[in-house]
Amino acid sequence: AQKVTQAQTEISVVEKEDVTLDCVYETRDTTYYLFWYKQPPSGELVFLIRRNSFDEQNEISGRYSWNFQKSTSSFNFTITASQVVDSAVYFCALSEWTDSGAGSYQLTFGKGTKLSVIP
Amino acid sequence: DGGITQSPKYLFRKEGQNVTLSCEQNLNHDAMYWYRQDPGQGLRLIYYSQIVNDFQKGDIAEGYSVSREKKESFPLTVTSAQKNPTAFYLCASSPPLAGRYTDTQYFGPGTRLTVL
Repeated sequence: AQKVTQAQTEISVVEKEDVTLDCVYETRDTTYYLFWYKQPPSGELVFLIRRNSFDEQNEISGRYSWNFQKSTSSFNFTITASQVVDSAVYFCALSEWTDSGAGSYQLTFGKGTKLSVIP
Repeated sequence: DGGITQSPKYLFRKEGQNVTLSCEQNLNHDAMYWYRQDPGQGLRLIYYSQIVNDFQKGDIAEGYSVSREKKESFPLTVTSAQKNPTAFYLCASSPPLAGRYTDTQYFGPGTRLTVL
């Protein structure tokens, strides 16, 4: 069974500080996908990034960057120069293939990290 | 605009009543999903559907039922058999699969169900 662990339940930072959200996963599959989603107070999950298991290059998108390390089964997310609008719950998720029915990929979510950015 | 809509946003139910949550998408996505979120918890999969007239149980299907009569719609019924239905319910959809490629799940705004 797959598993996603986000050990940090809550993090508070002062605006403009950098912050890293940790994600560790377990899987037996060789092909899988990793995701990060943001859930602002409104409740809707917003997709941030998808990374496949064969691509270990780090990715940067504006103030966001992701560090994927297969050797340690980690997919960490860093926000540089945090802003109040970054306050949200962030979920890491792992996608794996299942043969149920016609077959599909299913997401397993971590429990989330609540980030509070203080002005 | 394309997207996923869920209604109502807030729903109150008396104990022992069935209630149906709506999920509609106009993204032409084949797959649709229902998740439950409890405070401080991640999302747990209730049901999913890859094609019309077919759906599969997720990890916590007991006390729930679904239908998929149209590609655009995937309503979830919370039955009286669900012992602890108060939660936040999220619907998602994803584009067609191509080979073994997965694709992102896009989420609706959610429905917050409270049992009185």
